[in-house]
Amino acid sequence: EVQLVESGGVVVQPGGSLTLSCAASGFTFGDHTMHWVRQVSGKGLEWVSLISWNGGRRDYADSVKGRFTISRDNSKNLLFLQMNSLMTEDTALYFCAKDTNFNIDYWGRGTLVTVSS
Amino acid sequence: QSALTQPASVSGSPGQSITISCTGTSSDVGGYKYVSWYQQHPGEAPKLMIYDVSDRPSGVSNRFSGSKSGNTASLTISGLQGEDEADYYCSSYTSTNTWVFGGGTKLTVL
Repeated sequence: EVQLVESGGVVVQPGGSLTLSCAASGFTFGDHTMHWVRQVSGKGLEWVSLISWNGGRRDYADSVKGRFTISRDNSKNLLFLQMNSLMTEDTALYFCAKDTNFNIDYWGRGTLVTVSS
Repeated sequence: QSALTQPASVSGSPGQSITISCTGTSSDVGGYKYVSWYQQHPGEAPKLMIYDVSDRPSGVSNRFSGSKSGNTASLTISGLQGEDEADYYCSSYTSTNTWVFGGGTKLTVL
């Protein structure tokens, strides 16, 4: 069974930094592109970032480009999202998600990031 | 990276069929077969219902079907059931190797 468990969400001040983690199990992690997607409470889904199976390709939404960095450790089945220069608009539930052939097919339950003074 | 356009809400009675549209551009929905649909119940993670425009993952009811014409994809749910009441989101791969989601549609089963 595919499992994705996010962690690291906390309350942080504007301008602060935070790193989210996602522990994956139940599939061959190193074979798959992985994504981060976020959702503001009561609102829709917003794609944030992706990293290819070997880390060779990383892409970002314009809203986070230059501030967020995605990475992975295939030896430990871990996905990361380093978030710098956080803004109140970054407040959201952050989901880790697995990709199969250009479709996001499994999601974690999310970790909540709150940016507030 | 503009969001795909979905109706904010749709409704139907048990047993009826409903269709949710998802309109993009030739750089996303119209240009690729990588269109997916997700169901999200309150407080839960999204669940994949349709991928590659019209394919169903194992375990998803055949009451759910997908299609595409030009820049618009559609999700049809037939034989509506109370458990189908949820938010539905479409998504598409884009020409810039990013993904884009629709704004979401709230389905109410009357």
